[in-house]
Amino acid sequence: DQQVKQNSPSLSVQEGRISILNCDYTNSMFDYFLWYKKYPAEGPTFLISISSIKDKNEDGRFTVFLNKSAKHLSLHIVPSQPGDSAVYFCAASAGSGNQFYFGTGTSLTVIP
Amino acid sequence: NAGVTQTPKFQVLKTGQSMTLQCAQDMNHNSMYWYRQDPGMGLRLIYYSASEGTTDKGEVPNGYNVSRLNKREFSLRLESAAPSQTSVYFCASSKWTGVTEKLFFGSGTQLSVL
Repeated sequence: DQQVKQNSPSLSVQEGRISILNCDYTNSMFDYFLWYKKYPAEGPTFLISISSIKDKNEDGRFTVFLNKSAKHLSLHIVPSQPGDSAVYFCAASAGSGNQFYFGTGTSLTVIP
Repeated sequence: NAGVTQTPKFQVLKTGQSMTLQCAQDMNHNSMYWYRQDPGMGLRLIYYSASEGTTDKGEVPNGYNVSRLNKREFSLRLESAAPSQTSVYFCASSKWTGVTEKLFFGSGTQLSVL
């Protein structure tokens, strides 16, 4: 059973607008959440993370919001750029362990 | 900077054949991982090694074996390949950030089992 879910397989956004990617999780023991970005024929690369003690983390154009009561997190990209077109995965882990659970990914297309 | 290097990039096997996927990292990381990516399933952990000399099962270990040869190298072996093992395989290593492990991925191996 998928513990981390990304219910939107794809998203298209105009350049300069906001992109919002969503992620839901079921395991209340998860306390650390990460977003990875993947281009075709490459491995995923780390984008941004958030700990469960925070509800927001910002890094340049990227902001991640965490709603623990809803078991929901979202990634906001403002403004969106064509180079942001990629597949975005959210991932979660519990404690200091090595097991990360990944969502199925959302393919973002930013239209120039 | 090489980072995480996987070989081969592509492989086609017949059912029942065996092969080993190789992975090496040059970042002096303690932990290494093997994931598989399938359509609609995301990335799923096969095995991981928290440190040299140790290995542990992940979500989908059946049909695979691993060897942590030294701190740099972590190999994944398919003893008798099955069509269900057709997938993209990613090796990763990680460093501790003080809060969690941060993963660094290789570019992947596309494996087809006929």
